[in-house]
Amino acid sequence: QVQLVQSGPEMKKPGASVKVSCKASGYSFTRSGISWVRQAPGQGLEWMGGVNPYNGNTKYAQKFQGRVTMTADTSTNTTYMEVRSLTYDDTAVYFCARDTVDWGQGTLVTVSS
Amino acid sequence: DIVMTQSPPSLSVAPGQPASISCRSSQSLLHSDAKTYLYWFLQKPGQSPQLLIFEVSKRFTGVPDRFSGSGSGTDFTLKISRVEPEDVGVYYCMQSIQLPITFGGGTKVE
Repeated sequence: QVQLVQSGPEMKKPGASVKVSCKASGYSFTRSGISWVRQAPGQGLEWMGGVNPYNGNTKYAQKFQGRVTMTADTSTNTTYMEVRSLTYDDTAVYFCARDTVDWGQGTLVTVSS
Repeated sequence: DIVMTQSPPSLSVAPGQPASISCRSSQSLLHSDAKTYLYWFLQKPGQSPQLLIFEVSKRFTGVPDRFSGSGSGTDFTLKISRVEPEDVGVYYCMQSIQLPITFGGGTKVE
């Protein structure tokens, strides 16, 4: 069955960067796009962008343009999402999702001094 | 960006009773391919969102038939015919006809 397994929780200081991974299994990795969605504590869902593992093409929400990079490694069936220049507002659970159907378990990123 | 507006923000329902959630989009979600790109998700406490309904009214694999979706254009509804205890959580509508993908604010069902 399809599984998306994300990396573990992270604690970062303001101004730092974080890179979250999402390892896929159970389907052909290059045939489905991966989106990244985040959820601040007690808040709703926010789409950040997506990557096409087949060709590496990316689309980002304007809010995250220039500060977020999404990549895919076809040799390991893993997608990565890096956020730079972290602020306290980036404290959230970050989810990867395959075509909105299958979701990772989420990765808590805490930004704290 | 397409704004998705859900109502009500919260809903208290007794087991066995029906429930209805509304979602309105700021633009039509009907694509030229004749599909309407409106989805419903349930996020149970402490879990990842799970897909319930895609393209307005199509139940995803394994979703009980007490869940149904309807609507067109800009107005959509999710109905639960008889709420079960395991239906507790936050329901979100989502559009993917246009980037950025956007979600409604959520409806908490308890």
